[in-house]
Amino acid sequence: NAGVTQTPKFQVLKTGQSMTLQCAQDMNHNSMYWYRQDPGMGLRLIYYSASEGTTDKGEVPNGYNVSRLNKREFSLRLESAAPSQTSVYFCASSVNRYSNQPQHFGDGTRLSIL
Amino acid sequence: SQELEQSPQSLIVQEGKNLTINCTSSKTLYGLYWYKQKYGEGLIFLMMLQKGGEEKSHEKITAKLDEKKQQSSLHITASQPSHAGIYLCGAEITGGTSYGKLTFGQGTILTVHP
Repeated sequence: NAGVTQTPKFQVLKTGQSMTLQCAQDMNHNSMYWYRQDPGMGLRLIYYSASEGTTDKGEVPNGYNVSRLNKREFSLRLESAAPSQTSVYFCASSVNRYSNQPQHFGDGTRLSIL
Repeated sequence: SQELEQSPQSLIVQEGKNLTINCTSSKTLYGLYWYKQKYGEGLIFLMMLQKGGEEKSHEKITAKLDEKKQQSSLHITASQPSHAGIYLCGAEITGGTSYGKLTFGQGTILTVHP
């Protein structure tokens, strides 16, 4: 049972390059989320998608774009990578957006920007 | 300062000892989630608390949410090396309009020596 799958697991970019982080879930969940994790700061929400066809900004959206391709897939794009975007990125999904459903996380993408 | 404060930031215990991790907010917590993370991996859902005074247990881990719903504690009884990892609390702080958006504490690093 795959759950939430993120690709790639590791990536090194140069400043100014672009890339897309992929996320797919096989649990038929409606809501999906992108977080970044930095030392001493816990996880911070970048963007979320409450349901297919909708996306909204989270706490730290600057420098990122997202696409909810279909119910299963939610991608995160860095158009022009900056060293400040070096982080571990986690995708998560939940049954729906209501306050009684835990989020399930992928294993993360470790991104370094030189 | 963080909206969710975890204490302690790190904890080193001898196998067999009990320990407690706290998660505190100045705001009402509408849903409190505890996760465990092993280095290099994703977050594993442990427990969810919603009602003031609620307490849940799973194996040797017990989590409580206080009556005012502003503090939660995670207690591990007779710790084992398998309990080692990073414990994170996540919560919905903005009530019914949060759309499942979680705010996380900075995490507590637990080391258990055999």
